[in-house]
Amino acid sequence: QVQLQESGPGLVKPSETLSLSCTVSGDSISTYYWNWIRQPAGKGLEWIGRLHSDGTSISNPSLTSRVTMSVDTSKNQLSLRLISVTAADTAVYYCARGVGYTKFGGFASWGQGTMVTVSS
Amino acid sequence: QSALTQPASVSGSPGQSITISCTGTSSDVGTYNYVSWYQQHPGKAPKFMIFEVSNRPSGVSNRFSGSKSGNTASLTISGLQAEDEADYYCNSYTTRNTRVFGTGTKVTVL
Repeated sequence: QVQLQESGPGLVKPSETLSLSCTVSGDSISTYYWNWIRQPAGKGLEWIGRLHSDGTSISNPSLTSRVTMSVDTSKNQLSLRLISVTAADTAVYYCARGVGYTKFGGFASWGQGTMVTVSS
Repeated sequence: QSALTQPASVSGSPGQSITISCTGTSSDVGTYNYVSWYQQHPGKAPKFMIFEVSNRPSGVSNRFSGSKSGNTASLTISGLQAEDEADYYCNSYTTRNTRVFGTGTKVTVL
């Protein structure tokens, strides 16, 4: 079964760029839709965005100006970049695979999440 | 886009049934049957419980069921068990081709 593993620096300074990776194992990254989701401590889930293995993507309107998502099929890896971070970006970040081959069903498989703290 | 509205908390005794509501708008829940539900225990990643309003993924107990009426989707847990105590989130596809989560509901087993 597919496994997802997020990775990245646990600490980012304010105004800098947050960069995360999600390594997929147990299945090909191709054909599926992939999502990034975050959760501040003690708060709810927030959808960040979705990308397809063909490279097309769409993000939460509240984050669009700061978010870039990409996929590297040769490494079976996804990437997330969030620029100009503030304390409000402190959260656990998850990557998740869509249901089947569509963008409609939700999030079938999740990584364990990686904590990112924005602080000087 | 605004988060879907869920009650902050719902509680029930073992063996009882409880229902969690998820209220959206005609831009999301009301237009599409693409509502999904997730269970999250403390310190853990969310678990996929329901998709397309009422479908259960393989391995999810049939004590969990989903429905929808108008702009409101619902998750019902029947035969409540101690292990069901967790946070629950709904999610919907939207007319903007994006997705939006609910505010989350804490389920307590009394």
